[in-house]
Amino acid sequence: DSGVTQTPKHLITATGQRVTLRCSPRSGDLSVYWYQQSLDQGLQFLIQYYNGEERAKGNILERFSAQQFPDLHSELNLSSLELGDSALYFCASSPEYTGELFFGEGSRLTVL
Amino acid sequence: GIQVEQSPPDLILQEGANSTLRCNFSDSVNNLQWFHQNPWGQLINLFYIPSGTKQNGRLSATTVATERYSLLYISSSQTTDSGVYFCAVGGVSTSGTYKYIFGTGTRLKVLA
Repeated sequence: DSGVTQTPKHLITATGQRVTLRCSPRSGDLSVYWYQQSLDQGLQFLIQYYNGEERAKGNILERFSAQQFPDLHSELNLSSLELGDSALYFCASSPEYTGELFFGEGSRLTVL
Repeated sequence: GIQVEQSPPDLILQEGANSTLRCNFSDSVNNLQWFHQNPWGQLINLFYIPSGTKQNGRLSATTVATERYSLLYISSSQTTDSGVYFCAVGGVSTSGTYKYIFGTGTRLKVLA
């Protein structure tokens, strides 16, 4: 158990819909990262937050948005879903000084 | 940006065999981690190893930062070692937090 909690674990929805994925980082970690992994692909960095502020953006679509709340949990919002958005979405957190990444178990999104 | 290459891309072993996985990176980095993604999709931290050598049971890793590579050794492989092994390298971004680039992974299958 990495200490990073992601919900839901599985989600099936239809094209055009909107979903929200939630992540609670490890206790004390201020940084949260979101990654997308499509089938049999590597991990693509989407976005990073540090203590509530956006710090880095990767290949995140305009249909996707994220935020980190004062209690440090983060949400990734995916809207106008397309078939190609089906993927595993991972959240990771890291402590400030080492930067070591700890991943949650992921949220598996299926868009039908 | 930093390029990360992993080799070999695919590896099939008989149970009990040893193997070496390699991660090359194109620039100086502050962090390097090895992860195992099991067949259920979970990403498991193996090593946080910016430099030097570490061992954990049948697994060990060595990073030679000056020569920009890291090696992951798996000895006496077991079927439970099957999955994808990712190397992730990280550096401090302009925002002051860590930014990670993942390699494309080595897919390992251990046969009973």
